[in-house]
Amino acid sequence: AQRVTQPEKLLSVFKGAPVELKCNYSYSGSPELFWYVQYSRQRLQLLLRHISRESIKGFTADLNKGETSFHLKKPFAQEEDSAMYYCALQTSGSRLTFGEGTQLTVNP
Amino acid sequence: SAVISQKPSRDICQRGTSLTIQCQVDSQVTMMFWYRQQPGQSLTLIATANQGSEATYESGFVIDKFPISRPNLTFSTLTVSNMSPEDSSIYLCSVDYPGQTYTFGSGTRLTVV
Repeated sequence: AQRVTQPEKLLSVFKGAPVELKCNYSYSGSPELFWYVQYSRQRLQLLLRHISRESIKGFTADLNKGETSFHLKKPFAQEEDSAMYYCALQTSGSRLTFGEGTQLTVNP
Repeated sequence: SAVISQKPSRDICQRGTSLTIQCQVDSQVTMMFWYRQQPGQSLTLIATANQGSEATYESGFVIDKFPISRPNLTFSTLTVSNMSPEDSSIYLCSVDYPGQTYTFGSGTRLTVV
């Protein structure tokens, strides 16, 4: 069965420091992975997907099939990056399986 | 981009009662989904709402508890039936809109007392 694991529930960094939010998955098919972000009092929104290979708000994520990982990275964290981040895996029937989420806090 | 309106945004309900949550999209979409987010936990898919046919439920969720309607391509409802405190959660509607990938509603925060 498919599974998404985000090992860190809480992550705290200082402004300007690099940040990496970890995501590992297990899935027998060809994975399609996403990162979603939820800022305080806002709705869940798509941050990026691996297929597009783009950088959004300075974040990037590379799919590593060998390590079954899709870690989210940003070289210089900003205070406005503080939010809840969810890694998600698309499976059959366009369904999404979410990880537990990582609460990122960027301290001034 | 697709805009999703979900209501109510929050409600406090008595145990044993039912609540119907509405999800309205401003454009036609094929796929609509209902998720649950229990306190301190991640999102779990309840069911896929299919237009013109019965919803497809995920393991652990049944139609009697979570009946779903999908009368057209822009609207769906989820009912939480015979509620208990364990049903206290945030319920979210999501659509798979072409080119946008799983847009979410703002959620309904349900508290059962």
